[in-house]
Amino acid sequence: GNSVTQMEGPVTLSEEAFLTINCTYTATGYPSLFWYVQYPGEGLQLLLKATKADDKGSNKGFEATYRKETTSFHLEKGSVQVSDSAVYFCALKVNSNYQLIWGAGTKLIIKP
Amino acid sequence: KAGVTQTPRYLIKTRGQQVTLSCSPISGHRSVSWYQQTPGQGLQFLFEYFSETQRNKGNFPGRFSGRQFSNSRSEMNVSTLELGDSALYLCASSLDGGPATDTQYFGPGTRLTVL
Repeated sequence: GNSVTQMEGPVTLSEEAFLTINCTYTATGYPSLFWYVQYPGEGLQLLLKATKADDKGSNKGFEATYRKETTSFHLEKGSVQVSDSAVYFCALKVNSNYQLIWGAGTKLIIKP
Repeated sequence: KAGVTQTPRYLIKTRGQQVTLSCSPISGHRSVSWYQQTPGQGLQFLFEYFSETQRNKGNFPGRFSGRQFSNSRSEMNVSTLELGDSALYLCASSLDGGPATDTQYFGPGTRLTVL
């Protein structure tokens, strides 16, 4: 079946540190991959996406590359800020399934 | 474009009652999906609607139901509420819902508390 595995949190970093949140997936066919972010008390915001192998999604300094050979879509940012503190969700979608398949989420805490 | 809107934002109900949540999708989006988010179970898919038809349903009891109107607005209903139904209910809209590339955009959610 289709599934997403994310690294467990919380991840605690100091401001300006380098961030990596690991995400691996199992899927039939050719999924699209997504990162969503959820700030406290809010809904989910699309952070970035990639729809085919070797695509790189990027937004607000965050990047993730769709690696088919390692079935991964790791989220990275070169220099995190306190305002990046949130929960990050990796998700995939396959054709004609009509739903996102979610990872468990990774809570990120950035300390000043 | 206005985003996905959900009403109400907060609800407090007691066990045994029923509740209806509403979702208005982004203009032009015809697919609406619903998810339940809880600390223990994470994000779980409830159902998806397109052109007033439910195309997919998650593994939830029949107490959870939904519908979509001709203007793509959607409602979900939970009958005979249980304490375990306390959750954040998220609605997402997308253009079509079918292709893997179709991106879902989420509303702010409705926080349901069952006492």
